[in-house]
Amino acid sequence: DTEVTQTPKHLVMGMTNKKSLKCEQHMGHRAMYWYKQKAKKPPELMFVYSYEKLSINESVPSRFSPECPNSSLLNLHLHALQPEDSALYLCASSHASRGVMNTEAFFGQGTRLTVV
Amino acid sequence: AQTVTQSQPEMSVQEAETVTLSCTYDTSENNYYLFWYKQPPSRQMILVIRQEAYKQQNATENRFSVNFQKAAKSFSLKISDSQLGDTAMYFCAFMKWETSGSRLTFGEGTQLTVNP
Repeated sequence: DTEVTQTPKHLVMGMTNKKSLKCEQHMGHRAMYWYKQKAKKPPELMFVYSYEKLSINESVPSRFSPECPNSSLLNLHLHALQPEDSALYLCASSHASRGVMNTEAFFGQGTRLTVV
Repeated sequence: AQTVTQSQPEMSVQEAETVTLSCTYDTSENNYYLFWYKQPPSRQMILVIRQEAYKQQNATENRFSVNFQKAAKSFSLKISDSQLGDTAMYFCAFMKWETSGSRLTFGEGTQLTVNP
């Protein structure tokens, strides 16, 4: 199983709403990532979890709150978002240790988020 | 900080022909990994090919091969016998390990269209 599953695939939310994006993998990866991707642009790293601990936060606004409840799950809690936060949100996972043969990140299909 | 440059925003090729996508990067690291990912309209980022910087031999995966020139910091992707399903955005990516985890840096992407 080399899948990273993201739900929902599409989400429309108002600026006062609270919603969550979910990501799941069963490849035994201990590093999980959130990326934000605007149209026709490359993904931009938001957060990295390594062994269920937040290890990288790329100065993301606090209206985005990540959570890693266990080694297979990653959530992104959204609150009081702005229209400019509309984007494709990609989850990825990989091995967390240097020296492991297969170091690539596997990506989910993303959640298309629209903030109205 | 690492930078990745893809100088061809768009390219097109006829079905069954060969096309080469270019990528250059800038880093002071000696140990790192390079990847080519494709992102079709379905949005999922799919790994095409991987290259470890310490390996001199160029990686190949079926119709896909790379020309890795470490001294020149160049990492081009050659697609042979192009197929309609190769139509996608192609991203070159650089990865290095940090104490806080791994970090992918993407180029701006090249939109490849394969014409029948």
